Amino acid sequence: NAGVTQTPKFQVLKTGQSMTLQCAQDMNHEYMSWYRQDPGMGLRLIHYSVGAGITDQGEVPNGYNVSRSTTEDFPLRLLSAAPSQTSVYFCASSYSSSGSHEQYFGPGTRLTVT
Amino acid sequence: AQSVTQLDSQVPVFEEAPVELRCNYSSSVSVYLFWYVQYPNQGLQLLLKYLSGSTLVESINGFEAEFNKSQTSFHLRKPSVHISDTAEYFCAVRMDSNYQLIWGAGTKLIIKP
Repeated sequence: NAGVTQTPKFQVLKTGQSMTLQCAQDMNHEYMSWYRQDPGMGLRLIHYSVGAGITDQGEVPNGYNVSRSTTEDFPLRLLSAAPSQTSVYFCASSYSSSGSHEQYFGPGTRLTVT
Repeated sequence: AQSVTQLDSQVPVFEEAPVELRCNYSSSVSVYLFWYVQYPNQGLQLLLKYLSGSTLVESINGFEAEFNKSQTSFHLRKPSVHISDTAEYFCAVRMDSNYQLIWGAGTKLIIKP
């Protein structure tokens, strides 16, 4: 199993550009989420999904869209990039039958918006 | 609202010395507790977890954490640290009624040679 994969690893955008961060998992996990990590602020939840076709907002959803058309994929779209979206983005997945819902993380995408 | 507090943003410690990273949470319901580790320029990995049963849980690389319900704490300890333990450590809590994790701000463990 590849686990959770994310592409790209690095990205530089200009203000106003749009892009999609890709996330895929091959563990058949029903639950997936997107976080952003900023220094001193830990992880903040952007959006999450409890299964294909179902998404919901997290703590900091503004400026981001998600969709979940398959169990495997959970892309994050930046609609119009702003410097405040410079961050490291992590995708994670988990499954309920584990009991604990421990999350498995991808390697991250480091995004810079100039 | 539920929250997780990691009291120290950085903990410097000499190699082979003991260390404790503190984590407190606020919740009145049953919880599941986790410690994750993030090595430089990598994603997060699960270090250990408490679900139920024995309040002392251990990881394969010598860390342990003890769940203290009365003090709502889940501190992480290691009796002797190595340079390879240099990383950021995150405490997270999941309430029994919810599958989302609530995260602490992280503690950077800095090992001094």
